[in-house]
Amino acid sequence: GAVVSQHPSWVICKSGTSVKIECRSLDFQATTMFWYRQFPKQSLMLMATSNEGSKATYEQGVEKDKFLINHASLTLSTLTVTSAHPEDSSFYICSARGLAGGPDNYEQYFGPGTRLTVT
Amino acid sequence: GQNIDQPTEMTATEGAIVQINCTYQTSGFNGLFWYQQHAGEAPTFLSYNVLDGLEEKGRFSSFLSRSKGYSYLLLKELQMKDSASYLCAEMDSNYQLIWGAGTKLIIKP
Repeated sequence: GAVVSQHPSWVICKSGTSVKIECRSLDFQATTMFWYRQFPKQSLMLMATSNEGSKATYEQGVEKDKFLINHASLTLSTLTVTSAHPEDSSFYICSARGLAGGPDNYEQYFGPGTRLTVT
Repeated sequence: GQNIDQPTEMTATEGAIVQINCTYQTSGFNGLFWYQQHAGEAPTFLSYNVLDGLEEKGRFSSFLSRSKGYSYLLLKELQMKDSASYLCAEMDSNYQLIWGAGTKLIIKP
């Protein structure tokens, strides 16, 4: 199957600083990438959907000025958490989807996740 | 509206069979996914159903009934490593995944 990497896998930062998380599709072109957040013992929560070369679409309640998403190429998307606060501590997971052409192409391939702790 | 329901937690015995149910309500449907998620890790793909019926993949099978808005994941010959959360996700008319809260499966020896 397709491989998606995320970097870093975990990060600790101080309150007020910014953190950038990278999501890369290693062996396919990801026309669409998704960013999720998951708090302990809760389900995945979609934060935003980004298509290569266009602005991300944010879910209701997600601040676009706080969670900056850039999808500049077909293999890379970045999520920057600006002015991080302790309540932003969570497990951030990206997923990528290739070109739509059939049932298998709608599958989302997940990165391994990034655990962010804000102190 | 869109509402995915699945049990919060289930317990089963090693070597046994367990069925995890999922119901959904949506006006647009483009398929039903099952993912496995171990604690602290990202979800991994298990199955995708878009037509009615049963799809078998080794020890795991997934069933779909579109008329009933119902799916289940069947796990046979349970192993301790199957202890995980199992997430049901419905793909809506915009090809977005709507996620259930997940079913935590506990396997006992």
